[in-house]
Amino acid sequence: NAGVTQTPKFQVLKTGQSMTLQCAQDMNHNSMYWYRQDPGMGLRLIYYSASEGTTDKGEVPNGYNVSRLNKREFSLRLESAAPSQTSVYFCASSRDIKIYEQYFGPGTRLTVT
Amino acid sequence: AQTVTQSQPEMSVQEAETVTLSCTYDTSESDYYLFWYKQPPSRQMILVIRQEAYKQQNATENRFSVNFQKAAKSFSLKISDSQLGDAAMYFCAYKRNTGNQFYFGTGTSLTVIP
Repeated sequence: NAGVTQTPKFQVLKTGQSMTLQCAQDMNHNSMYWYRQDPGMGLRLIYYSASEGTTDKGEVPNGYNVSRLNKREFSLRLESAAPSQTSVYFCASSRDIKIYEQYFGPGTRLTVT
Repeated sequence: AQTVTQSQPEMSVQEAETVTLSCTYDTSESDYYLFWYKQPPSRQMILVIRQEAYKQQNATENRFSVNFQKAAKSFSLKISDSQLGDAAMYFCAYKRNTGNQFYFGTGTSLTVIP
């Protein structure tokens, strides 16, 4: 039981490049989330998926797109990376959108130069 | 909008001693949840403790307990018998019962001194 896994762990992009962050959970959770963590700002929600087939914007969605590929997987895409997107990205899941515990992945450190 | 404030960017405690981390939040809701998450150097966020706002009794998990003051909108975390493994960033978080979003504070970095 791996919990929530994220790939890659580290990534460096040039401005304008695109990439997809992958997230998978093996806990049969319905809901999944993408956060970014910046110094002095805590975690901010980018997008979430309450259940398979649905996605919704969070607090800071601009510049990102998401895909809930199936119940297990929830990817985050940067179409044209900008230096402002340099951050640590966390994926999380919970059994249900109303159930309070969120389980987090180990994070992806992304640097955009 | 809901906000969560952690006014202590850094705290330190001697091993085996007790430390309290502060958290306040702003909400007009009456039904919500509060959480403390721990983020060690490995970066993985770990749920430490949660509190349902409708419960008057303070939550406790082993050496971790909270002091929930609903009227004051305060939710502090007490760590007793501090251990070296407690060193981490600690985040306070809020979730409205009817909402989908968690709101996190900016974190408190806890150092445990041997």
